[in-house]
This record gives sequence, structure tokens and C-alpha cells, in this order.
Amino acid sequence: QVQLVQSGAEVKEPGASLRVSCKASGHTLSTHYIHWVRQAPGQGLEWVGLISPGGHFTTSAQRLQDRLTLTRDTSTATVYMELSNLRSEDTAVYYCASEPPATGGFDYWGQGTLVTVSS
Amino acid sequence: QSALTQPASVSGSPGQSITISCTGTSSDVGSQNLVSWYQQHPGKAPKLIIYEVTKRPSGVSTRFSASKSGNTASLTISGLQAEDEADYYCCSNAGSSTYIFGTGTEVTVL
Repeated sequence: QVQLVQSGAEVKEPGASLRVSCKASGHTLSTHYIHWVRQAPGQGLEWVGLISPGGHFTTSAQRLQDRLTLTRDTSTATVYMELSNLRSEDTAVYYCASEPPATGGFDYWGQGTLVTVSS
Repeated sequence: QSALTQPASVSGSPGQSITISCTGTSSDVGSQNLVSWYQQHPGKAPKLIIYEVTKRPSGVSTRFSASKSGNTASLTISGLQAEDEADYYCCSNAGSSTYIFGTGTEVTVL
């Protein structure tokens, strides 16, 4: 059974950096893209970025690309999302999700990581 | 890049059919076959219900169907059930391997 397990909730001050992990089991990291999606409190889903199966290709939402870094450690089947210079508007639940090649569908999701940015 | 446009809310009685629209542009929905739909219950992670415009993942009810015409994709829920009450989001590839979600639609079963 495929599972994506994310790291726990975080509280950060404005200007700090954040790292969220997403560990995959049951497949997948070798063949699937991993996307990051966030959801601010009471708001809709926002696509954040993706990393390719081998980790050599990443892309992100234009408004985050200067602050976002996506990496993956194939030896531990773990993907990492780093977001720098945090702002209050980055407060959200962050999800990782997997995409089978070229389907555009995010079939498995992590449980979500609540990130709160507050002074 | 603005979110895809969905109606804020749609409602229907049990057994009825409802349709949710998702309007984008010729750069995303209109030119991509990588359109997907997600169901999200409160406090839960989203669940994939449609991918590649019309395909249903294994285990998803056949009551969910979808289509696309021009810059607008649509999700239809037939035989509406109480368990269908949730938020629904469309998502489209927007070129250059980027993606964009819709604004979301709250479905209420009357």
C-alpha cells in the first residue's frame, strides 16, 4: 500500500526558513513526480511545486520560486520542501502528493503538515 | 496566474445530478488534457476522483464523470448522495510543468 508520511507541525517566526519532509513507502519515488500543495486556513488549494522522479528537475509556482527549494533523497525515499523568508501568508497546511507519470492526477497524498508563521 | 474559476457553491437533493464547471484559459484547460478533479472533506486531504479530463481512478464511484469543452472542464455527480457533500477542486497543467487549481466548489446535499 502506498503511503506518504509527512513531518509534524511547525511554528515559525517571520523571516525564518522551513523544511517539511515527505517519506514514501510502497512505490513510487523512483517513478512518480512528487508535488507540493498548500491550503491556507479556510481557503482553497494552491499548487506549490513539483520534483521529478530522479530529483533532477523541479518547478514551482511563479510567486514562490525565489523562496522555494525542492530536493529528494532516493536512499531514504524522502522528498523535502524548503521555504525561506517566511511570511504570515505562508501559514497553511502543506501536502505532498504523488503523480504517476504524465497523468496530471495526484493519486496519493500525505496527511498534511500545518505550518504557522507568527511572531 | 489566477486560479481557475469554479462556482462557489452548488446544491442538489439526494438522487439528483449536479454539474460543477471549471473555467480557465487557452493556456491551461483549453490546451491541456491533464485536467483532474479532487474531492475534499473537512479536515481531510484531497482525494483524486478524475484525471486526464475523463478518467476515473480505480475505486472511484461511476457516479462521478467529467468532460471538457474549450476552456471549460466540467464534473458531474449523478445520483447525489449525502456522502458527496464536500469541497471539489479542479486542477490543470498550465504549461512548463506547472499546475493551477480551481477556486473550489462547496457541494451541499439538501
